Amino acid sequence: ETGVTQSPTHLIKTRGQQVTLRCSSQSGHNTVSWYQQALGQGPQFIFQYYREEENGRGNFPPRFSGLQFPNYSSELNVNALELDDSALYLCAFEGQMVADTQYFGPGTRLTVL
Amino acid sequence: GQSLEQPSEVTAVEGAIVQINCTYQTSGFYGLSWYQQHDGGAPTFLSYNALDGLEETGRFSSFLSRSDSYGYLLLQELQMKDSASYFCAVRGPNNAGNMLTFGGGTRLMVKP
Repeated sequence: ETGVTQSPTHLIKTRGQQVTLRCSSQSGHNTVSWYQQALGQGPQFIFQYYREEENGRGNFPPRFSGLQFPNYSSELNVNALELDDSALYLCAFEGQMVADTQYFGPGTRLTVL
Repeated sequence: GQSLEQPSEVTAVEGAIVQINCTYQTSGFYGLSWYQQHDGGAPTFLSYNALDGLEETGRFSSFLSRSDSYGYLLLQELQMKDSASYFCAVRGPNNAGNMLTFGGGTRLMVKP
């Protein structure tokens, strides 16, 4: 168990709607990353937050935004949903003992109809 | 930018040994990681190589050759529970820590 939780586990939305996904860690790491994983593909980096500020971003449009709170929990917001946004959304907190290690939550499966 | 290539699928029998290869292209290299993901589950960290050579962790080993931009994951004494997808990953896209670029994954099917 990684101690990383995400909610909700599943979500169904329609095109044009907005969605908020949530992530938290029992251990309170100060760096959280979000990834999008389409079916049959590897996770793709969306962005990372460090001490409540965006610390890096992948190739995703501005309608993907995030927040990190003082307790290090985090939200991913997606506006104007498109069909291609259907995917598993994973958050991850950094590992402490080994470089480049990330501890992933179980993910939120988003379906856009 | 970063890109990683892996075979899409590998099949092996229980008790056998299987090797999953990964070739990469990066603008800056810090190390190669391996993750396992069961269907419906989260990726879980398996191993990390920053230097050339073999890293062994129980039944799993990982190898890196920086001069060849190549690595592999070796799974020994395969068990049915090893059926999963395996991803190699490098730091990126910004070469900052803890942001990973993943390969497309190799789906391993272990048969009795």
